[in-house]
Amino acid sequence: GAVVSQHPSRVICKSGTSVKIECRSLDFQATTMFWYRQFPKQSLMLMATSNEGSKATYEQGVEKDKFLINHASLTLSTLTVTSAHPEDSSFYICSALRTGNTEAFFGQGTRLTVV
Amino acid sequence: AQSVSQHNHHVILSEAASLELGCNYSYGGTVNLFWYVQYPGQHLQLLLKYFSGDPLVKGIKGFEAEFIKSKFSFNLRKPSVQWSDTAEYFCAVNVYNQGGKLIFGQGTELSVKP
Repeated sequence: GAVVSQHPSRVICKSGTSVKIECRSLDFQATTMFWYRQFPKQSLMLMATSNEGSKATYEQGVEKDKFLINHASLTLSTLTVTSAHPEDSSFYICSALRTGNTEAFFGQGTRLTVV
Repeated sequence: AQSVSQHNHHVILSEAASLELGCNYSYGGTVNLFWYVQYPGQHLQLLLKYFSGDPLVKGIKGFEAEFIKSKFSFNLRKPSVQWSDTAEYFCAVNVYNQGGKLIFGQGTELSVKP
């Protein structure tokens, strides 16, 4: 149990376009999901906390208008990178917190390349 | 602000050598502690976690970690590493009652020579 799936696993997009990344908890309900960003050879940096049915909470320095987060159901959160630029190229990882639990489960990540 | 520090950026060992990866955190309150592993091209996997109780925690694949509250440390150990342990290792802290939000250390790359 406790499987989190991200889609797509890899995406290449042109500069100026928008990209949507999905994070699904397949076998449990997740009131809260988290979005992280990982640069090569670096650690994961928390971008935002996504709560079902309410606005996401963004970490300091993360542009909420650029990284749109929607958590419309207990099993799905989406991250949309709007007007992507090459510097947005990174590995984006989500995690989902099972309702009533304190352990988060991670998706496999999405490699975004903006050309 | 809370932070997590991993002392070693890159560790190179021969098979059968013992491993200890350091992790220190800065937060004076109650925390939950985790070690994750990321194999090349794969997603993060939980190695072990500490919430409360016995400060010596045993995880998967022969790993263990010891929580020393007075030192704000949660070091990862394995008595005898294998080539298949080659991966990136991340220490993470979750502040109690902050609902699953993890603060990660910078990671330690472990290379095990066959």
